[in-house]
Amino acid sequence: ETGVTQSPTHLIKTRGQQVTLRCSSQSGHNTVSWYQQALGQGPQFIFQYYREEENGRGNFPPRFSGLQFPNYSSELNVNALELDDSALYLCASSLASGTKDTQYFGPGTRLTVL
Amino acid sequence: AQSVTQLGSHVSVSEGALVLLRCNYSSSVPPYLFWYVQYPNQGLQLLLKYTSAATLVKGINGFEAEFKKSETSFHLTKPSAHMSDAAEYFCAVTFSGGYQKVTFGTGTKLQVIP
Repeated sequence: ETGVTQSPTHLIKTRGQQVTLRCSSQSGHNTVSWYQQALGQGPQFIFQYYREEENGRGNFPPRFSGLQFPNYSSELNVNALELDDSALYLCASSLASGTKDTQYFGPGTRLTVL
Repeated sequence: AQSVTQLGSHVSVSEGALVLLRCNYSSSVPPYLFWYVQYPNQGLQLLLKYTSAATLVKGINGFEAEFKKSETSFHLTKPSAHMSDAAEYFCAVTFSGGYQKVTFGTGTKLQVIP
């Protein structure tokens, strides 16, 4: 148990729809990162939020967006869903944004786009 | 640019045998290196990380890894495999700037044969 929770566990959407995934960080953690893990692949960094501001972004289009709230919970929003968006989405929280701080991962949300 | 190569997408060992999972990296700056484990339908758990201190890094569950700059390697080992070690293992590389530039390998599935 890492203290990082994600909801929902599974989600099925159709192409073109929009989806919101949620993450509750471990207590005291002000940094959250989101990753996409396609089947059979390693996670790919989507973006990071530090104290409610975006603090770095991977190679993902603008239809992937996020929010971090004052209580440090966060959301990942994906618009205009495509079939290739089907993946496990992981969030990870850490005490601060630097690499010296360990990231703690949630169990993920499995998104299926039909 | 940085990258990680994990040799062998599947590795099988007998219970009690040595576990060796290979990871080679490429990085233009001093790297931070990580090994994570992922059990089915779960998020990633940090096993160990190298952050430019001791080259032999000890992690959880009896795992360790040695940073070899001359070989650009960070192989994961465990002297004696246990059934509970069956999982997928990911090597990752970034640098001191943070997780925003983290790159994961494609993973190695470890099978432990009784």
